[in-house]
Amino acid sequence: GAVVSQHPSRVICKSGTSVKIECRSLDFQATTMFWYRQFPKQSLMLMATSNEGSKATYEQGVEKDKFLINHASLTLSTLTVTSAHPEDSSFYICSAIVTGYQPQHFGDGTRLSIL
Amino acid sequence: DAKTTQPPSMDCAEGRAANLPCNHSTISGNEYVYWYRQIHSQGPQYIIHGLKNNETNEMASLIITEDRKSSTLILPHATLRDTAVYYCIVLAPMIKAAGNKLTFGGGTRVLVKP
Repeated sequence: GAVVSQHPSRVICKSGTSVKIECRSLDFQATTMFWYRQFPKQSLMLMATSNEGSKATYEQGVEKDKFLINHASLTLSTLTVTSAHPEDSSFYICSAIVTGYQPQHFGDGTRLSIL
Repeated sequence: DAKTTQPPSMDCAEGRAANLPCNHSTISGNEYVYWYRQIHSQGPQYIIHGLKNNETNEMASLIITEDRKSSTLILPHATLRDTAVYYCIVLAPMIKAAGNKLTFGGGTRVLVKP
């Protein structure tokens, strides 16, 4: 149980393109999903917290107009990197949680490469 | 502020027990100890968590000292597939799920050798 699916797993696109990443909880309903970013040889950094039916909460230094988050249902959250540039190239990972007393479960990540 | 301290790396032999230490000397009474691991190019995987009692599941055992200032994750029979970065995280779980933000430190890079 507790499977989180992320799609796509790998994206390569040109600078200026907008890229959408999907995060789905397959066998449970997630009240909250988290989005992380991980640069090479670094640890995961939380970008934002996504709650179903409400606006996402962004961490300090993360541009909300650059990284659009939509949490339309209890099983789906999307992250759109708008007008992506090479410095946005990174490994983006989502996690989902049902209640606060259960651990987070992570997707397998999306490796984004902007040329 | 780093809430946990872990050795940056360690090697262990395949088939032997791997003991991964974590110091969390400033842990609060309501904070749990969580362990996750990240295999290369994958998302983190939840392993185990505990408050003060030792815990065991199909993946590992968690030993928490009586004063709760440190803990040890034990992989009983390490395999090559256990090679990963292991993260020890302390967190006070909140009823409101959005409050449960995980802060990942540097972790311990574990290399299981044949």
